[in-house]
Amino acid sequence: GAGVSQTPSNKVTEKGKYVELRCDPISGHTALYWYRQSLGQGPEFLIYFQGTGAADDSGLPNDRFFAVRPEGSVSTLKIQRTERGDSAVYLCASSAEWAGKTYNEQFFGPGTRLTVL
Amino acid sequence: QKEVEQDPGPLSVPEGAIVSLNCTYSNSAFQYFMWYRQYSRKGPELLMYTYSSGNKEDGRFTAQVDKSSKYISLFIRDSQPSDSATYLCAMSTLNSGGYQKVTFGTGTKLQVIP
Repeated sequence: GAGVSQTPSNKVTEKGKYVELRCDPISGHTALYWYRQSLGQGPEFLIYFQGTGAADDSGLPNDRFFAVRPEGSVSTLKIQRTERGDSAVYLCASSAEWAGKTYNEQFFGPGTRLTVL
Repeated sequence: QKEVEQDPGPLSVPEGAIVSLNCTYSNSAFQYFMWYRQYSRKGPELLMYTYSSGNKEDGRFTAQVDKSSKYISLFIRDSQPSDSATYLCAMSTLNSGGYQKVTFGTGTKLQVIP
């Protein structure tokens, strides 16, 4: 079956512009995560959705970053007034519903490479 | 100090060598310990996970966790050129919302030379 898909694969924008990054999770996965991966670093948690609601947005760096998941499937990460420091790969992951003590594998998409000039 | 420390490498080994990758951590609350592999311009993929101290083996891969020393390792036997990738250690805590919040290491870039 299809994995997690992300569009666009690459996005180049100018400082101060607004961007939207899209994530299509694996069908039936209720949990969705956004991460940011800077060059030479591991992914850093941004936000977690359980269904339509953002259950944990503690990783969003500031109020320029916002994410939605209105119907509990596709999610969009929105960045306002982009800055050069926002340049990174933005990764989306999804997993099946949390099941008690069982670790639920997170399946990652290929990421969107954002470059802010 | 970062919660998870990982030597970024790069690490270059000849084909067939045994590879040892390591991470240390400071948060005693971590419950699950994972290793991800990430090929260039791809998302990470889960290789192994474990939740207890000791060894877990899967084919050529062995994950080792020592909770008393807060140290985890991944061993790759008979390394192949196709193993060339970045290896990320990751650890998670059970968040109050009932989900696993994952913290990644910086990743170690491995190159296996034919």
